[in-house]
Amino acid sequence: GENVEQHPSTLSVQEGDSAVIKCTYSDSASNYFPWYKQELGKGPQLIIDIRSNVGEKKDQRIAVTLNKTAKHFSLHITETQPEDSAVYFCAARTAAGNKLTFGGGTRVLVKP
Amino acid sequence: DAGITQSPRHKVTETGTPVTLRCHQTENHRYMYWYRQDPGHGLRLIHYSYGVKDTDKGEVSDGYSVSRSKTEDFLLTLESATSSQTSVYFCAISEQLGADSPLHFGNGTRLTVT
Repeated sequence: GENVEQHPSTLSVQEGDSAVIKCTYSDSASNYFPWYKQELGKGPQLIIDIRSNVGEKKDQRIAVTLNKTAKHFSLHITETQPEDSAVYFCAARTAAGNKLTFGGGTRVLVKP
Repeated sequence: DAGITQSPRHKVTETGTPVTLRCHQTENHRYMYWYRQDPGHGLRLIHYSYGVKDTDKGEVSDGYSVSRSKTEDFLLTLESATSSQTSVYFCAISEQLGADSPLHFGNGTRLTVT
């Protein structure tokens, strides 16, 4: 089955700096890659996603890039703010679509 | 926020006792899922449902059963709780399968088995 590896497990950045989280996946049939943000005491919330026919997608301060050949994708957060502090999860889903496989999560701390 | 309510939000139980967690949705979505979240493992799928009375296993289904008698409710049962089932459990819903239908999560149930 699909295996998703996520790095780093923790990330501390200064407010205003950029943060990058990287994920690799094993199943070349995977075609959908969402990113979720989880705040303390809450469930994960979708913040951005990308499909395999697109190499990059941006939404204000966040962007996701996908390299299908290398089977890895990354989340980029620019101009980080304290409210970006949370746990972020990447995930991958195959064309069959019934199972989303998650990475282990990255705890991001933005220091004011 | 998607209309997903999980109950209870917190539960402490003893080893060997049965436990049922409830997920209730007001979105009328066809697909419902139970995940467990453990440090370093992300979220792992326990069971999912693709319609009333239609369910299937996920990657960590041993020791768990589910039932869906109504579109809006999806129950997760631990027949005889073990300490390894101490975790945070999340329910999720989606309108369709596939990439055009993202998952929406509830706020979780923290279960402690002593």
